[in-house]
Amino acid sequence: QVQLVESGGGVVKPGGSLRLSCAASGFTFSDYYMYWIRQTPGKGLEWISYINTGDNTMYYADSVKGRFTISRDNAKNSLYLQMNSLRAEDTGVYFCARDLRRKVSSWYMNFWGQGTLVTVSS
Amino acid sequence: QSTLTQPRSVSGSPGQSVTISCTGTSSDIGAYNYVSWYQHHPGKAPKLIIFDVNARPSGVPDRFFGSKSGNTASLTISGLQTEDEADYYCCSYAGSYTFHVLFGGGTKLTVL
Repeated sequence: QVQLVESGGGVVKPGGSLRLSCAASGFTFSDYYMYWIRQTPGKGLEWISYINTGDNTMYYADSVKGRFTISRDNAKNSLYLQMNSLRAEDTGVYFCARDLRRKVSSWYMNFWGQGTLVTVSS
Repeated sequence: QSTLTQPRSVSGSPGQSVTISCTGTSSDIGAYNYVSWYQHHPGKAPKLIIFDVNARPSGVPDRFFGSKSGNTASLTISGLQTEDEADYYCCSYAGSYTFHVLFGGGTKLTVL
């Protein structure tokens, strides 16, 4: 069955960096667009970024543009999120998710991981 | 880049129906039919329950119904069950200029 397992969260000081990973299994990873979404305290879900199947098209929310970088390694069935210049408001649970449809972006996420907690605090 | 507007909470008794609204703009909900809804039990992975405004993924019961009128989308849950108690988020594509995805602020459904 489809599984997405995030890792790499933790506590980091403002201005610091973290790299999140998402290990995918149970489907042909290279066939699907992938997303990062976060849930911040009191603010609900927020779309962060998405990447196409070929690792050559990426989009970011304005709140993270220039600080976060999404990437993928199809050979390792893995999705990544490099987070730099972290701020207190980046604190939250970060989810990776898979698109509903193969080889296209449907803008729907039908499989999600359990999330990894990122805390930005001095 | 703003969020879609949802009521913070709704409630209903088992067997009743509730409707959750989601208000956007003519640039997102009003412009596209890429509207979806997610059910989130805290501590678990969010679950897609509605896509394409009113389509249900396999396994989602037909008690969940999505609709859209103008800039507002709605989720109606009929025959409320205790396991429906969760947070519900609407979501919309926000256009090919930004390629952004917008979520609503979330609505806490309490089944009394």
